Amino acid sequence: DAGVTQSPTHLIKTRGQHVTLRCSPISGHKSVSWYQQVLGQGPQFIFQYYEKEERGRGNFPDRFSARQFPNYSSELNVNALLLGDSALYLCASSLVRGVTEAFFGQGTRLTVV
Amino acid sequence: QQQVKQSPQSLIVQKGGIPIINCAYENTAFDYFPWYQQFPGKGPALLIAIRPDVSEKKEGRFTISFNKSAKQFSLHIMDSQPGDSATYFCAAKYSGGGADGLTFGKGTHLIIQP
Repeated sequence: DAGVTQSPTHLIKTRGQHVTLRCSPISGHKSVSWYQQVLGQGPQFIFQYYEKEERGRGNFPDRFSARQFPNYSSELNVNALLLGDSALYLCASSLVRGVTEAFFGQGTRLTVV
Repeated sequence: QQQVKQSPQSLIVQKGGIPIINCAYENTAFDYFPWYQQFPGKGPALLIAIRPDVSEKKEGRFTISFNKSAKQFSLHIMDSQPGDSATYFCAAKYSGGGADGLTFGKGTHLIIQP
């Protein structure tokens, strides 16, 4: 049974560029959340999507956006990349919204140069 | 503002010992407290979680102790093995309205020596 899958696994972008990261949740899961993990720190919440609508947003600038598709997969978009955006971007899948277990993918390592 | 404080930052324990990792939270609205294990280059893996209505939960060699009045919770790893060497994160979540994400501690780098 496939877990949460993220693509690509690694990415190098130049400052000022745009990036799109992708996530497929566990089959049957309807909620997807995105997190940013800077080296040596815990993950920080960016967005939660449930039933294709944004349900929660962390303290991130408007350069960060996301969407969820009818098959519950999701994209995270980051515009005007900054060096400080270099991090591991994690997608978490949950069965439903609320207090349920969240299962993480392996992440996308983004390096901005 | 750090809403979940985790300690220690790093920990070295001999094989068979019982590492203990502690977390303290500030927001009394938090009502779900999971622990995650992360190996280098991997995403966090859910280990065990607890709700505020119980004081202890065991799953295999992992135990969470929860003290609601002190707003603290801890992870104990029984009969620790070198394969348990990883970074451990505590987290907390509020199931009500608003942002619906987990708030993580900064992590504990655990080394189990053979």
